[in-house]
Amino acid sequence: AQTVTQSQPEMSVQEAETVTLSCTYDTSESDYYLFWYKQPPSRQMILVIRQEAYKQQNATENRFSVNFQKAAKSFSLKISDSQLGDAAMYFCAYRSDFQISSGSARQLTFGSGTQLTVLP
Amino acid sequence: DGGITQSPKYLFRKEGQNVTLSCEQNLNHDAMYWYRQDPGQGLRLIYYSQIVNDFQKGDIAEGYSVSREKKESFPLTVTSAQKNPTAFYLCASTSGAPLHFGNGTRLTVT
Repeated sequence: AQTVTQSQPEMSVQEAETVTLSCTYDTSESDYYLFWYKQPPSRQMILVIRQEAYKQQNATENRFSVNFQKAAKSFSLKISDSQLGDAAMYFCAYRSDFQISSGSARQLTFGSGTQLTVLP
Repeated sequence: DGGITQSPKYLFRKEGQNVTLSCEQNLNHDAMYWYRQDPGQGLRLIYYSQIVNDFQKGDIAEGYSVSREKKESFPLTVTSAQKNPTAFYLCASTSGAPLHFGNGTRLTVT
């Protein structure tokens, strides 16, 4: 079974500064997807960014970018020019695809999360 | 607007009672999921369904049951056999890479 580890339960960053959130995972698969989700106090899960494992280029979405190190099984999230609205719980997730009796299936396994505080 | 609707937002029950959480999606997604979230923990998979009339247990299925009679609906029943039912429950669906989530239901059992 895949496992996802976020070793930083809490992080803080000064507004306008840059912060990096860490994530490692364990898998024997060669093709998979990785995601970062954000959960603000409203508890709505919001997709931040995704990365396909077969792509060598790191994904970027505006101020959010990832450092994907496939061999090291590492998938960190960098938030540049941090804003107060970035304060949230951030979850790293791994998607696995497999076969079941009724066809193909996919699951997302989540890390335990990193609570990010943005200081004004 | 397409999306996933979970109802109610807050639910209170007495210990020993079964309770059903609703999840409806109008995104025409094939796959639907139920996750449980406890304080300080990530999301843990309870059940998932890839197609109508078929579903599989996730990592923490004990004390829960589901049905998938319609593509758009995937209700979760928390039975009296679930030892610690108080939690935040999230429903999700997908037809491709990212999961789309509902707004969640906070269940409190006393």
